[in-house]
Amino acid sequence: GENVEQHPSTLSVQEGDSAVIKCTYSDSASNYFPWYKQELGKRPQLIIDIRSNVGEKKDQRIAVTLNKTAKHFSLHITETQPEDSAVYFCAAESSSASKIIFGSGTRLSIRP
Amino acid sequence: DTGVSQDPRHKITKRGQNVTFRCDPISEHNRLYWYRQTLGQGPEFLTYFQNEAQLEKSRLLSDRFSAERPKGSFSTLEIQRTEQGDSAMYLCASSLEYSNQPQHFGDGTRLSIL
Repeated sequence: GENVEQHPSTLSVQEGDSAVIKCTYSDSASNYFPWYKQELGKRPQLIIDIRSNVGEKKDQRIAVTLNKTAKHFSLHITETQPEDSAVYFCAAESSSASKIIFGSGTRLSIRP
Repeated sequence: DTGVSQDPRHKITKRGQNVTFRCDPISEHNRLYWYRQTLGQGPEFLTYFQNEAQLEKSRLLSDRFSAERPKGSFSTLEIQRTEQGDSAMYLCASSLEYSNQPQHFGDGTRLSIL
């Protein structure tokens, strides 16, 4: 069945350094890839998304890359700040299924 | 606030009881989704509606679970004869009708089964 794998499960970086989270997906029909940030006890919040017709998208300190051939996509956060500490989920959706399959999450901690 | 709202925020009940949760989506969103999230995991898809039609159900959705969206606006998720394994956060999300549209989540209902 459809599957999204995410790693690492935990990531600790020094404030100001970059963080990278990587995901792979199994359904070759997937064509929409959102990323969500979830703080403790709060709702998942969409932070950036990418569609399969582009290979990279940036929004200030956040960027996503997509390699459809390899079925890999990644989240890059630069100049990390304490408020970036949270759990980040990658996800994949295919237009035929209309449902999102989430990865298992990465707990990102920013060290002061 | 015009985001997705869910009620109640917390529900504690004894095993074997029935529970019902409500979700009010963003008003212009035709699609409404239910997910379940357990500690340390990503949300798992349960079911989704386009307007009042329930278009897909996950294999996770046993016959004890039923969801409705009778007028194409709010939705309810009912769990009958609750079991310990039903303890989780139940999240609702909504989106526009078209494919590949961002899904916006509510704060969820945390269900605890005693």
